[in-house]
Amino acid sequence: GENVEQHPSTLSVQEGDSAVIKCTYSDSASNYFPWYKQELGKRPQLIIDIRSNVGEKKDQRIAVTLNKTAKHFSLHITETQPEDSAVYFCAASREVKLIFGQGTTLQVKP
Amino acid sequence: GAVVSQHPSWVICKSGTSVKIECRSLDFQATTMFWYRQFPKQSLMLMATSNEGSKATYEQGVEKDKFLINHASLTLSTLTVTSAHPEDSSFYICSARANPDTQYFGPGTRLTVL
Repeated sequence: GENVEQHPSTLSVQEGDSAVIKCTYSDSASNYFPWYKQELGKRPQLIIDIRSNVGEKKDQRIAVTLNKTAKHFSLHITETQPEDSAVYFCAASREVKLIFGQGTTLQVKP
Repeated sequence: GAVVSQHPSWVICKSGTSVKIECRSLDFQATTMFWYRQFPKQSLMLMATSNEGSKATYEQGVEKDKFLINHASLTLSTLTVTSAHPEDSSFYICSARANPDTQYFGPGTRLTVL
């Protein structure tokens, strides 16, 4: 089955800096890769997603890149703000099920 | 759009009792819903896939007789934790699949079994 590895587990950056979170997946047939942001005790919120026919997608300060050959994808957050502090999860999906990475706790220090 | 609600938001019960959690898609129809379990500071673990009008598909290691899932309509799925024990205490989150494959999550239910 699919396995998703996410790194780093924790990330601390200064406000205004960029943050990068990386994920690798094992199933080459996976074709959908969403990223979720989860604040403590709340629901995961979809922040951006990418499909396998696209190499990069951007939405304001957030971007995701996908390298199908290497089977890895990354989340890039630019100009980080304190409200970006949360746990971020990547996921991979082939048909219906989402398999999640272990999560990255991002702390943005003012 | 794409709002998913979950009820109750928290529940405390005695060991041996059963607890039902509801998951509703409020503004879209979801033929497929999912149930996850999340322990503190851990990732979301998929428990089962719930399909409207058919039996749920459980992930390996999840006891289907303990975690009963019913998906009776296109907007409602329920998870019943039967004969709950303290080790069942966790954060249970549902999600509903919108077209074509995006999942939107409910707010979660904090279950505490005494």
